[in-house]
Amino acid sequence: RKEVEQDPGPFNVPEGATVAFNCTYSNSASQSFFWYRQDCRKEPKLLMSVYSSGNEDGRFTAQLNRASQYISLLIRDSKLSDSATYLCAGESSGGYNKLIFGAGTRLAVHP
Amino acid sequence: GAVVSQHPSWVICKSGTSVKIECRSLDFQATTMFWYRQFPKQSLMLMATSNEGSKATYEQGVEKDKFLINHASLTLSTLTVTSAHPEDSSFYICSADGRQGYEAFFGQGTRLTVV
Repeated sequence: RKEVEQDPGPFNVPEGATVAFNCTYSNSASQSFFWYRQDCRKEPKLLMSVYSSGNEDGRFTAQLNRASQYISLLIRDSKLSDSATYLCAGESSGGYNKLIFGAGTRLAVHP
Repeated sequence: GAVVSQHPSWVICKSGTSVKIECRSLDFQATTMFWYRQFPKQSLMLMATSNEGSKATYEQGVEKDKFLINHASLTLSTLTVTSAHPEDSSFYICSADGRQGYEAFFGQGTRLTVV
């Protein structure tokens, strides 16, 4: 089993829709999780950190469910500019401050 | 946030030659940097952990003699792809830990094409 797994999508949604992605992780000792956004042929950029109490930033809400070992990202009122690949990341069980990334979920927002 | 600079952004080289990629932390010291590889439409795959002043730690399946990593200072790590072959063509990205915890800040990436 991969340490971090995501539904690859693509998720095709109209502008204004609400969309949610889940990401499961296997390292129960992981304390920190992150959502990154990656545009085509670019490096990932940090979108949000996800700590035990979750996190909200404007239209974006991230949640952590330790019992079921998953994190989620909710995007409200989707914009065309939200089209990208969203990567979740958690701490590797191998330690050493290593992050392990999911394969990414592709989101396409259309007019 | 922290700034990580990677150079070059893209490179085309002939099969059998070596290519060096630099990763610099511009406004902080990074004792640890990470090198990833990403093939089209695939996930970031961690190749190795670069440790300042000591040997890099390679992930399983990554050839340490092919992908040479040097982390000679607290602000610079280099990845050298030796005797490159077309199958080494990929997007190589470095990252360094942010000052506030585990979040990683990425360089701009290097698109390597071996012909």
